[in-house]
Formats: sequence, structure tokens, C-alpha cells
Amino acid sequence: AQTVTQSQPEMSVQEAETVTLSCTYDTSESDYYLFWYKQPPSRQMILVIRQEAYKQQNATENRFSVNFQKAAKSFSLKISDSQLGDAAMYFCAYRSEDSGYALNFGKGTSLLVTP
Amino acid sequence: DVKVTQSSRYLVKRTGEKVFLECVQDMDHENMFWYRQDPGLGLRLIYFSYDVKMKEKGDIPEGYSVSREKKERFSLILESASTNQTSMYLCASSPWGAGPSTDTQYFGPGTRLTVL
Repeated sequence: AQTVTQSQPEMSVQEAETVTLSCTYDTSESDYYLFWYKQPPSRQMILVIRQEAYKQQNATENRFSVNFQKAAKSFSLKISDSQLGDAAMYFCAYRSEDSGYALNFGKGTSLLVTP
Repeated sequence: DVKVTQSSRYLVKRTGEKVFLECVQDMDHENMFWYRQDPGLGLRLIYFSYDVKMKEKGDIPEGYSVSREKKERFSLILESASTNQTSMYLCASSPWGAGPSTDTQYFGPGTRLTVL
């Protein structure tokens, strides 16, 4: 079974600064997808960004970008110009072509944004 | 917008009770999922379904069952609730197919279940 590891239970960043959340995964498969989901205090989980393993180019969505290192099995999330609304739990998730549509989640990183 | 709703935000039950958690999605999605979320453990998959009357076990199915009689509705059943099933339960749905638009899971607001 694939494992997803988020080694930072909590992170803190000041408003307008940049923060990077770490994620590593373990897999023997070559075709897979990686995701970062955000869960604000209201609890509705939403997708932040998605990366396909066969694409070398790192995904970007506005202030959110990833650093995808396939050989190192690393998938970190960079949040630029942090805003108070970025405060949330962030989950890294993995899905393989062979496992269907179910996601395998990491344990999450709680991000605190200070004024 | 995709909307996934769950029948209750908060639920308190007693040990041994039969508990039903309901999830409804309004976007005609084929796939539906039930996760359990506990502090320090992240989200763990209980059951999922690819179609009406179809179900697949996830990582922690013990003590749970599911029902999907209609495409839009996916129910999680705790046959005899126990205190170790106190948790946040999240439902999600996604469409069938491959690619960015079909790969995203849409989550409900969650049900905080307490078993006394």
C-alpha cells in the first residue's frame, strides 16, 4: 500500500510571507496523481492543486505552487504572499491509476497565519 | 457548483445503537466515498462506491457497512456503535473518468459523531 507522509504537524507563517509544506510518498507505480487539499476551520475540504506524475512541469494555481521531485518522491506545497484565509489543515493525497478513484491521505499539516 | 450534503453536523449516540449517516450529492457523480478523520491520523477511507448498489472496502471497514440504492445517496451504517467510533465522518463524491475535471473529490461538511 502506498504511504503518504507529512512530517510537519504544525507550521506557522506571517502574513505576506512564503511557507512550504512538505510531503513525501512511497510507491512502486509509475502513473499516479498527487493532490493538496485544504480544510479550513469550517471543515469543508477543497482541492488546492493537482499534479500528474508524468508531467515534469510543476503545477501552479495563483499563489499556490508545488515542487514535484519524482525521483525523490517528494511533493511540497509553496504558498506565496500568505493570507489570513490560508490558515487551515493541509492534506497531501495520492492516487494511482491502478487503485481507482480512492485517495490515500497524509496526516495533515496545520498552518497558522499570523498578522 | 457541486454540492455534497450530510444529514447532520453533530450527532450523539449511545453505545450499541444503530447509526445512519447520510450523504447526498447533486452533481450526478458516479463515485462516492466515506472517510473518517481523527486528529493525528488524517483521513482514512472506510468504504467507497463506483455505482448504484456497488461498494468496495477501504482501509478501515470493520464495524461499518454502506448502502447505495440511488446514485445521489450514499449511506454509512454503524450496526452497533462503539465509543471508538467517535470521530468526524466526511463524505465525498467525484465523477467517473480521467483528467483534471474528473479527478477532484468534492467533500461534504462532515458529521461529528460522539458515541457515549
